Amino acid sequence: GQQLNQSPQSMFIQEGEDVSMNCTSSSIFNTWLWYKQDPGEGPVLLIALYKAGELTSNGRLTAQFGITRKDSFLNISASIPSDVGIYFCAGNENYNTDKLIFGTGTRLQVFP
Amino acid sequence: EPEVTQTPSHQVTQMGQEVILRCVPISNHLYFYWYRQILGQKVEFLVSFYNNEISEKSEIFDDQFSVERPDGSNFTLKIRSTKLEDSAMYFCASIWGANEKLFFGSGTQLSVL
Repeated sequence: GQQLNQSPQSMFIQEGEDVSMNCTSSSIFNTWLWYKQDPGEGPVLLIALYKAGELTSNGRLTAQFGITRKDSFLNISASIPSDVGIYFCAGNENYNTDKLIFGTGTRLQVFP
Repeated sequence: EPEVTQTPSHQVTQMGQEVILRCVPISNHLYFYWYRQILGQKVEFLVSFYNNEISEKSEIFDDQFSVERPDGSNFTLKIRSTKLEDSAMYFCASIWGANEKLFFGSGTQLSVL
């Protein structure tokens, strides 16, 4: 099946640092979404992107829908301890499906 | 913020037994989903449900799986004869309409022994 590859797999950073992670696909996606998952919880939507080139912010988070429609990145500025968790990208391959394909995840650890 | 509610939070069962995982989607939502996540892996789509019927399912969702919306509020996932490899966290999700925010429940951790 379709794969979304995320990098890096994990990150260990100091509080206050900026973070960048990305997601790539071999095929075109029509929607890119970024989710955060805390231990024992379901994914929570952070940012949704619907158009190629779209750049959207949500507080300290910024995400972009790549021009090729095959990639997306998520930046977190001035990280804080509660940013710890697993970040997943997800997307829809075409307009005829609402099935989300999830990426492999980036585990973020923030040290005070 | 409204919530998708899942019960139980943990379910332990013997291989070959039937399990029913229960979900109460957000009340005015129209589209319902089940996803699963094997420990340490990514979230995988199982099935989508709209207008009282399955609209899409993945290759994981074989004849052992079924979904039902028995009344106006519950949405269930049944696994008829569980296998060891069915052990995973199962997430229910719902959405009001296309391109709206998808809400996930907290999941049911299923352990098949």
